[in-house]
Amino acid sequence: GDSVTQMEGPVTLSEEAFLTINCTYTATGYPSLFWYVQYPGEGLQLLLKATKADDKGSNKGFEATYRKETTSFHLEKGSVQVSDSAVYFCALRSGYSTLTFGKGTMLLVSP
Amino acid sequence: GAVVSQHPSWVICKSGTSVKIECRSLDFQATTMFWYRQFPKQSLMLMATSNEGSKATYEQGVEKDKFLINHASLTLSTLTVTSAHPEDSSFYICSASISPGGPGETQYFGPGTRLLVL
Repeated sequence: GDSVTQMEGPVTLSEEAFLTINCTYTATGYPSLFWYVQYPGEGLQLLLKATKADDKGSNKGFEATYRKETTSFHLEKGSVQVSDSAVYFCALRSGYSTLTFGKGTMLLVSP
Repeated sequence: GAVVSQHPSWVICKSGTSVKIECRSLDFQATTMFWYRQFPKQSLMLMATSNEGSKATYEQGVEKDKFLINHASLTLSTLTVTSAHPEDSSFYICSASISPGGPGETQYFGPGTRLLVL
């Protein structure tokens, strides 16, 4: 079945540091890939998505590129802020199936 | 953007009582709504998928009689936790989809409802 593997957290960074959160997946066919962000006490918000190989999703300074050859969708940001502290979920959807989520990676950014 | 609301955001109840959680799509019609459960520091676990006007499809291991889902309209779905027990305490999140199954389908998530059963 489909699965998503994310790096375990928490990831602790200083403000303005470079961020990478790794995400790899296993799926049949060509899934759509997503990154969701969950701020403390809130539900999930879609951060970015990519629907086909080599697509780059971007939003709020975050980027992720759909790499079919490595089955990866790593999340990056060049300079993180304290306000980026949250839990980040990588997810995929194959065809008409429902979303499959990774376990989430907590990001903590200190001033 | 598309907004999904949930009510209540917090609920505390006694063991044995039933609790209803509402999920509404505020500015769009959602043909499909999803209910998730999230344990502390864990991922989201899909409980069921509901389509307007039809019975919900439950994931394996989710008790249909305990978690009653009603999707009466294109903007409202409800989850009722019947005879709640402390082990039902969790964070319940709904999401709504405008074009389920399409290549660019996006699920819009509600802010979640935290349930504590004493």
